[in-house]
Amino acid sequence: EVQLLESGGGLVQPGGSLRLSCAASGFTFSSYAMSWVRQAPGKGLEWVSAISGSGGSTSYPDSVKGRFTISRDDSKNTLYLQMNSLRAEDTAVYYCAKVSDILITFGGLIVFDYWGQGTLVTVSS
Amino acid sequence: AIRMTQSPSSLSASTGDRVTITCRASQGISSYLAWYQQKPGKAPNLLIYAASTLQSGVPSRFSGSGSGTDFTLTISCLQSEDFATYYCQQYYSYPFTFGPGTKVDIK
Repeated sequence: EVQLLESGGGLVQPGGSLRLSCAASGFTFSSYAMSWVRQAPGKGLEWVSAISGSGGSTSYPDSVKGRFTISRDDSKNTLYLQMNSLRAEDTAVYYCAKVSDILITFGGLIVFDYWGQGTLVTVSS
Repeated sequence: AIRMTQSPSSLSASTGDRVTITCRASQGISSYLAWYQQKPGKAPNLLIYAASTLQSGVPSRFSGSGSGTDFTLTISCLQSEDFATYYCQQYYSYPFTFGPGTKVDIK
């Protein structure tokens, strides 16, 4: 059974940093791309980052580019999201999601077939 | 960025009804479209990918169609467990974008 367990959320002041972790089990972690998707309170879904199965490729939307860094440790079956220079608009539940493909390039099946339960990040003074 | 829109934003229906939700992309995305279901307080669940391919384990009352810019999700016979919010997502190009959601509630 695929399981994704996020941790690391919490309250942080504007301009601060936070690192989220996602422990994966039930599948061959290194063989799949991974992603983070967030959801602000009462709002819709926003894709935040993705990393290929090899870890060699990453991608971000403009809203977080230069502030967030996605990484993975295949030896620990763990995905990370380092978030710096946090803003109030980054307040959201952050979901870790498994991608259906190893690659995150055009033509790939870049859909999110398993999700964690989410971890809440609140940016407020 | 490709903008995704959905209609309606919400609908009320009864168990047994046939429900159709529309998703439109601001530019052509071929069949690079997925649908998700989300229940309150829970993570989204993948229903359909490649516009019309049912994810393993998803009931056959769910179906998807379309290509290019216009897509539909149909629930053929609404069940009590289907009351939820539905999102479309394009994976044709970066950044991957979701529609704003369609909430299906009980009439």
